[in-house]
Amino acid sequence: DAGVTQSPTHLIKTRGQQVTLRCSPKSGHDTVSWYQQALGQGPQFIFQYYEEEERQRGNFPDRFSGHQFPNYSSELNVNALLLGDSALYLCASSSKKGMRETQYFGPGTRLLVL
Amino acid sequence: SQQGEEDPQALSIQEGENATMNCSYKTSINNLQWYRQNSGRGLVHLILIRSNEREKHSGRLRVTLDTSKKSSSLLITASRAADTASYFCATAYRPIQGAQKLVFGQGTRLTINP
Repeated sequence: DAGVTQSPTHLIKTRGQQVTLRCSPKSGHDTVSWYQQALGQGPQFIFQYYEEEERQRGNFPDRFSGHQFPNYSSELNVNALLLGDSALYLCASSSKKGMRETQYFGPGTRLLVL
Repeated sequence: SQQGEEDPQALSIQEGENATMNCSYKTSINNLQWYRQNSGRGLVHLILIRSNEREKHSGRLRVTLDTSKKSSSLLITASRAADTASYFCATAYRPIQGAQKLVFGQGTRLTINP
């Protein structure tokens, strides 16, 4: 049973560029949440997707956008990258059947913006 | 801010001793969860305690929840070197029906010395 997978594992970009991160949820899960974790901090909620729509959003600017596909996988897009966007980006999946309570996290994508 | 606060920020103990970490939060919650993270990698779900529960056990883990004090504690008994990691509490809210948002604290860095 495959867990949550994310790609790529590492990424280096320069300021002003755009980046797309990808996530495949755990088998049987229909909900994907994205988190940003800066070094030495706890994860910060970006947004949550289910039924192919953004359902709730954290305190992040519109430069952060996402998408969920019919197979429940998801993308996180960040435009006009800033140095402060350097962080570990975590994807977590959960299921409507489980009331979306327990979230299972992927290994993350480490983004470095130069 | 809804963010929980963990105490202590860092804890170093000898193998075999018990480790206790505390978490406080500010608003009403649906449930509270504890996660472990090894060396900046993905988070591993440890245990979930609902707002109407006071204590829960899982193996060497014991979690308590006091909703009147808005606090929780995680006890790891008979610690092992493999328990060395960062531990995060996450409070769960349902801002809208069907969705769940996790708000993480900054974590406790636990080091188990052999």
